[in-house]
Amino acid sequence: NAGVMQNPRHLVRRRGQEARLRCSPMKGHSHVYWYRQLPEEGLKFMVYLQKENIIDESGMPKERFSAEFPKEGPSILRIQQVVRGDSAAYFCASSPPSKGGEQYFGPGTRLTVT
Amino acid sequence: DAKTTQPPSMDCAEGRAANLPCNHSTISGNEYVYWYRQIHSQGPQYIIHGLKNNETNEMASLIITEDRKSSTLILPHATLRDTAVYYCIVRVENYGQNFVFGPGTRLSVLP
Repeated sequence: NAGVMQNPRHLVRRRGQEARLRCSPMKGHSHVYWYRQLPEEGLKFMVYLQKENIIDESGMPKERFSAEFPKEGPSILRIQQVVRGDSAAYFCASSPPSKGGEQYFGPGTRLTVT
Repeated sequence: DAKTTQPPSMDCAEGRAANLPCNHSTISGNEYVYWYRQIHSQGPQYIIHGLKNNETNEMASLIITEDRKSSTLILPHATLRDTAVYYCIVRVENYGQNFVFGPGTRLSVLP
């Protein structure tokens, strides 16, 4: 059973460009979570999604950030007009429907904004 | 979710048991204790969780005190690859809620 997949693993964007981060959950997992880890800081929750629904986006910045988890395909975290402060590691996790506490994390996408 | 307190860092000799403590004195009756770890620059890894009984799996054992105000994660035979930041998190078991990761304990396994 393949783990959580994230791509790309490394992404470099210039200020003002858009960044798209993809996450494929583990097979059978219908819950997806996105976390951000700034350099030398802890993990911070961003958003929790189920298929076609955003359940909790309390950790998402109000502007420029959006997330989706369509019926088919991976979950996407989109950052528009990136700024240097967006440089971070972005981790996706998934969990089975009845075990939200057992979250399985992907390897992360390291975003660098130049 | 209840707040947890962990020592910022610990050392352990390779091959010995690593005992990582966690205080959660304000834990509620329906809150579980979860342990995760993050090996340098990798995604966090689920280790174990429990409610009030001690738990054991292939990775570790979790000992929860009878009053549930503290717990200990035990890695029975630590290896160099167990060097990581270990997070103790208390929350209700639910369909899906975010985890609040504190600073954790940085465990260094020494040769």
